[in-house]
Amino acid sequence: DGGITQSPKYLFRKEGQNVTLSCEQNLNHDAMYWYRQDPGQGLRLIYYSQIVNDFQKGDIAEGYSVSREKKESFPLTVTSAQKNPTAFYLCASSGLATTADTQYFGPGTRLTVL
Amino acid sequence: QQPVQSPQAVILREGEDAVINCSSSKALYSVHWYRQKHGEAPVFLMILLKGGEQKGHEKISASFNEKKQQSSLYLTASQLSYSGTYFCGTESGNTGFQKLVFGTGTRLLVSP
Repeated sequence: DGGITQSPKYLFRKEGQNVTLSCEQNLNHDAMYWYRQDPGQGLRLIYYSQIVNDFQKGDIAEGYSVSREKKESFPLTVTSAQKNPTAFYLCASSGLATTADTQYFGPGTRLTVL
Repeated sequence: QQPVQSPQAVILREGEDAVINCSSSKALYSVHWYRQKHGEAPVFLMILLKGGEQKGHEKISASFNEKKQQSSLYLTASQLSYSGTYFCGTESGNTGFQKLVFGTGTRLLVSP
């Protein structure tokens, strides 16, 4: 089955710790995205990547970092510099990164900072 | 800038119709509609492009008014499975790369 996987589904972390969220896709998509969703809110773009070894900051990149060493993988690290990291994190991908291509979402990771 | 969705919430009985609106202050190139169930990933419904080309599902339709920078999603003869939060994602300008800005969502509840 083709799709996007995110792991873990639930993640708990202590304040001051960095944590990495996994995102893998086997759709052969060029573009990948990370979004953050807070309760009752829409999706806000953290980082995006059009091709391997290239990525761009989105609207709320502070306190986050990413890498794109392989086409199918786009991990997100939530650093201790992120002031309010508790949220639902969604990874997405699209085929050609061009206008009007559908973005497909993974199942999400719910991060809670204790 | 984030698009504005209206209404914020709506309650329907099964079989009733609903319209969800998405307005932007920027000129739009495309509008993407998604539905999200609680705790799950958003699921793609439809794309509307500048110029009028429409894609998507048969039972749910949408319009795109380029002059008003607005899109509307039409849900007819609603089913229980339509319940969820509907988001529009807007793309402004043909930049050659798709970067969507999402609205805050419209919660829809369909009751028996």
